[in-house]
Amino acid sequence: IAGITQAPTSQILAAGRRMTLRCTQDMRHNAMYWYRQDLGLGLRLIHYSNTAGTTGKGEVPDGYSVSRANTDDFPLTLASAVPSQTSVYFCASSAGESGANVLTFGAGSRLTVL
Amino acid sequence: GQNIDQPTEMTATEGAIVQINCTYQTSGFNGLFWYQQHAGEAPTFLSYNVLDGLEEKGRFSSFLSRSKGYSYLLLKELQMKDSASYLCALLDSNYQLIWGAGTKLIIKP
Repeated sequence: IAGITQAPTSQILAAGRRMTLRCTQDMRHNAMYWYRQDLGLGLRLIHYSNTAGTTGKGEVPDGYSVSRANTDDFPLTLASAVPSQTSVYFCASSAGESGANVLTFGAGSRLTVL
Repeated sequence: GQNIDQPTEMTATEGAIVQINCTYQTSGFNGLFWYQQHAGEAPTFLSYNVLDGLEEKGRFSSFLSRSKGYSYLLLKELQMKDSASYLCALLDSNYQLIWGAGTKLIIKP
């Protein structure tokens, strides 16, 4: 089934630990994004990648890093998790680099940092 | 600066019509999206407006007025499965998406 796969679905993590959220798409989309969604707030962009080999910072990049070694994979790493990073994380992709393209989202990863 | 507002929550009755409003302020505009998000699930695309007017897609329609900084999503013949959050997102002059906090729509029988 074409789409985006995120893992893990849910994770509880101790503060200070390193965590990588995985994201894989099989639609050959050029652009990929990581968002966090918190209650009462709109989706906030963490990092994005317009094409394999390039990445950029979004609205809330601090404490997060990404890589885009190939078209399909776009992992998000929390080097040293803090409680304020408790959130639901969504990976998304779009066919083109322009934001005017429709986003396809993964099912989300719920992360709790204690 | 940029700002986007939509009501936090709305309630409607099965079979009725509901209009979800979205107002925005921006220095540059390249379109407005609506997404639907069921609880615990991913957002899914509903509509994209870049020109003024109404676009109809089955039971759902989306309207845009660029001069007023205003859009709405109109849902007709409401069904219980329409209970979800509806997210308004503005595409700014840099082609970056600015998301509203979403409107939670509750459908009652």
